[in-house]
Amino acid sequence: GAVVSQHPSWVICKSGTSVKIECRSLDFQATTMFWYRQFPKQSLMLMATSNEGSKATYEQGVEKDKFLINHASLTLSTLTVTSAHPEDSSFYICSADFEGETQYFGPGTRLTVL
Amino acid sequence: AQSVTQPDIHITVSEGASLELRCNYSYGATPYLFWYVQSPGQGLQLLLKYFSGDTLVQGIKGFEAEFKRSQSSFNLRKPSVHWSDAAEYFCAVGFGSSNTGKLIFGQGTTLQVKP
Repeated sequence: GAVVSQHPSWVICKSGTSVKIECRSLDFQATTMFWYRQFPKQSLMLMATSNEGSKATYEQGVEKDKFLINHASLTLSTLTVTSAHPEDSSFYICSADFEGETQYFGPGTRLTVL
Repeated sequence: AQSVTQPDIHITVSEGASLELRCNYSYGATPYLFWYVQSPGQGLQLLLKYFSGDTLVQGIKGFEAEFKRSQSSFNLRKPSVHWSDAAEYFCAVGFGSSNTGKLIFGQGTTLQVKP
């Protein structure tokens, strides 16, 4: 139980285009999901907290207009990187809150912007 | 400020040897404590967690961790390491009003296992 999936697992896009990443809780409902960014050989950096049916809460320094988050259902949250640039290339990981106790993580999405 | 410190960036142990990964936190109250493992190019897998009760918690893959309030520590241990344990290990602390909420992660410890 408590499985979280992400799609796609990797994506390559051209500079200036937008990319959408999906995060799904497969066997449980999650009112809260989280989006992280991880640079090589570094720890996870929380970008935003996604709450079902309400606006996401962004961490300081994260551009909300660049990283659009939508949590339209109890099992799906999406992160859209708008007008992507090479500096947005990174590993993006989502997690879902299971029963108000524990975060379970997706497998991550590798984004490369050319 | 709240923080999590994993003092060891890189640890190498021989297969079959014991392992201890250190984690210290800074917080005024008892937080919720987690250890996660990340294999290359993968997401994070929960190894174990501590919310309250017995300070020695058992996790998956033969791992255990002990919460020591006096030392503000939550060290991860395994009596005999297997080659498949080579990975990145993250200690995380939850400071939200509920049992989860935001997590603050340590810098991570890379475990290398020698044959």
